[in-house]
Amino acid sequence: EDQVTQSPEALRLQEGESSSLNCSYTVSGLRGLFWYRQDPGKGPEFLFTLYSAGEEKEKERLKATLTKKESFLHITAPKPEDSATYLCAVRREGNKLVFGAGTILRVKS
Amino acid sequence: KAGVTQTPRYLIKTRGQQVTLSCSPISGHRSVSWYQQTPGQGLQFLFEYFSETQRNKGNFPGRFSGRQFSNSRSEMNVSTLELGDSALYLCASSLGTFSNEQFFGPGTRLTVL
Repeated sequence: EDQVTQSPEALRLQEGESSSLNCSYTVSGLRGLFWYRQDPGKGPEFLFTLYSAGEEKEKERLKATLTKKESFLHITAPKPEDSATYLCAVRREGNKLVFGAGTILRVKS
Repeated sequence: KAGVTQTPRYLIKTRGQQVTLSCSPISGHRSVSWYQQTPGQGLQFLFEYFSETQRNKGNFPGRFSGRQFSNSRSEMNVSTLELGDSALYLCASSLGTFSNEQFFGPGTRLTVL
């Protein structure tokens, strides 16, 4: 059965303190790994899609990387507005995504 | 470009009733997926529709059903509501199946009393 595990469950950072979020997965026939950001009371906001090991994508202070068993979301010099829940998901078929439980990130100024 | 819209945003029902939720995808998008989000189970896939046909289905009971219209708008129906159906129901649209990006709407918050 497909499984997605995110760690840590929660992370508190000081503004400017870089860190990484982890997403480990077990799925046969990975057809994409997705990262989303979700703010309270809102739907998830698409960040990145990664398809193959070694692939990297960047957007502002965020950088996502992928290996055969896990993905990392690196946050460089975070700001308070980066506070949100970050969700990781894998796709096996069609548009069916299997989500992890998420990492709640809080950045204090 | 308008985003994904969902109506209603909030809904309160009692056990045993049924409910219909609506989703309008981004213009030009033909795939609509539905998800249930709860604090205990997180985000779980319900089903996906593409060109008015159900393409994928998650592990939910038959009380959960959906459909898609020719203009790609989609509805989701839950019959015989149970307390455990209280959740945020999210709709995501994409250009097609196996799309790089799925864009989520703001969700419908359903409370079952």
